[in-house]
Amino acid sequence: DAKTTQPPSMDCAEGRAANLPCNHSTISGNEYVYWYRQIHSQGPQYIIHGLKNNETNEMASLIITEDRKSSTLILPHATLRDTAVYYCIVRGKWNSGNTPLVFGKGTRLSVIA
Amino acid sequence: DSGVTQTPKHLITATGQRVTLRCSPRSGDLSVYWYQQSLDQGLQFLIHYYNGEERAKGNILERFSAQQFPDLHSELNLSSLELGDSALYFCASSEGGIGGTEAFFGQGTRLTVV
Repeated sequence: DAKTTQPPSMDCAEGRAANLPCNHSTISGNEYVYWYRQIHSQGPQYIIHGLKNNETNEMASLIITEDRKSSTLILPHATLRDTAVYYCIVRGKWNSGNTPLVFGKGTRLSVIA
Repeated sequence: DSGVTQTPKHLITATGQRVTLRCSPRSGDLSVYWYQQSLDQGLQFLIHYYNGEERAKGNILERFSAQQFPDLHSELNLSSLELGDSALYFCASSEGGIGGTEAFFGQGTRLTVV
């Protein structure tokens, strides 16, 4: 699976949009981009994933560049409860099941009141 | 609530002992993954089972073993425990289909070896 590069930490003011970048320049054509977050020692929580089109759900939006070498996770109105470590993961798939998620160090997002 | 259940939530045991961690995946999920998270190592993938068969191994020690049973629940066995095995152990499950599906994590078992 392709490696990802994320900034180690970011701050965001409460109520503002949080834009978390991720570089994955070695991504291959059948690999998905996944985002998870972990709030203080809880189990990682799935946020969103995409292949090449932008995606949006109730939690966030995922913007993937046309060349797929980078992506941005957008939390539209960050709250204090969004303070967490955010992981960007590139993940391939097998014919009979998904490959494991390999976590890097992620970005520690601090939402400030 | 992710639908993945891990038991016990907390476990304290002595060095040299053996423990078993249990994971019940979400209903219908065929894949189970185990992860270890210690303070200095981050989330480390240990092992993956799909429909009862081992599919991939990560950084799993020989003292550790796992299995997935016919009802799809999984157990992680840790033996000859050392102080350094103290960590959070997470289980995750996913459908395991050919599409890009997400994995859901349990709340973990906190193991303390004293």
